[in-house]
Amino acid sequence: QQQVKQSPQSLIVQKGGISIINCAYENTAFDYFPWYQQFPGKGPALLIAIRPDVSEKKEGRFTISFNKSAKQFSLHIMDSQPGDSATYFCAASSETGANNLFFGTGTRLTVIP
Amino acid sequence: NAGVTQTPKFRVLKTGQSMTLLCAQDMNHEYMYWYRQDPGMGLRLIHYSVGEGTTAKGEVPDGYNVSRLKKQNFLLGLESAAPSQTSVYFCASSYSARENTEAFFGQGTRLTVV
Repeated sequence: QQQVKQSPQSLIVQKGGISIINCAYENTAFDYFPWYQQFPGKGPALLIAIRPDVSEKKEGRFTISFNKSAKQFSLHIMDSQPGDSATYFCAASSETGANNLFFGTGTRLTVIP
Repeated sequence: NAGVTQTPKFRVLKTGQSMTLLCAQDMNHEYMYWYRQDPGMGLRLIHYSVGEGTTAKGEVPDGYNVSRLKKQNFLLGLESAAPSQTSVYFCASSYSARENTEAFFGQGTRLTVV
């Protein structure tokens, strides 16, 4: 049973466009929601993360939007660049669950020049 | 500062063979994890450790064993490899503090069981 559901599976965006990836969860104990970026042949690396006490967090071109009541969160990549082409994973964890990360199934983003 | 280092990077096993994957971290992290990554399934937690000498089961522990004899090392063992264990394995580590739970991942081990 997938604890975090992620969509879409793949995404193609023109350079300069906005990339949007969505995730949903059921476990209300989750209190930490990171996004990880993975390039081919590499391990995932933390991109940006949010806790449920805020509805939005922005770091440069990357923004997480969080809707606690709907149990959904999303990643927005503004002004998408070819270098952003990678696989993105949302995840969730809870302090009561030893901070174990439950990952979504991933979104392969391709930014076309 | 090497971060998280996994050994080996690639391995091919025959069904029934055993092997051990080694993970080493130099960040003095308390928590360590083993994940497997399969196409269309994201990363799934196999086992984890919240400190030296402790281990616990994750989402998909069957067929694997782990040990954490030293704080910096976390070993993943396959006693009798099966084709279903063909996957990319990632080790990760993190601090235990609530305010800093970023997980740092190794580069992965690609295991093929034939």
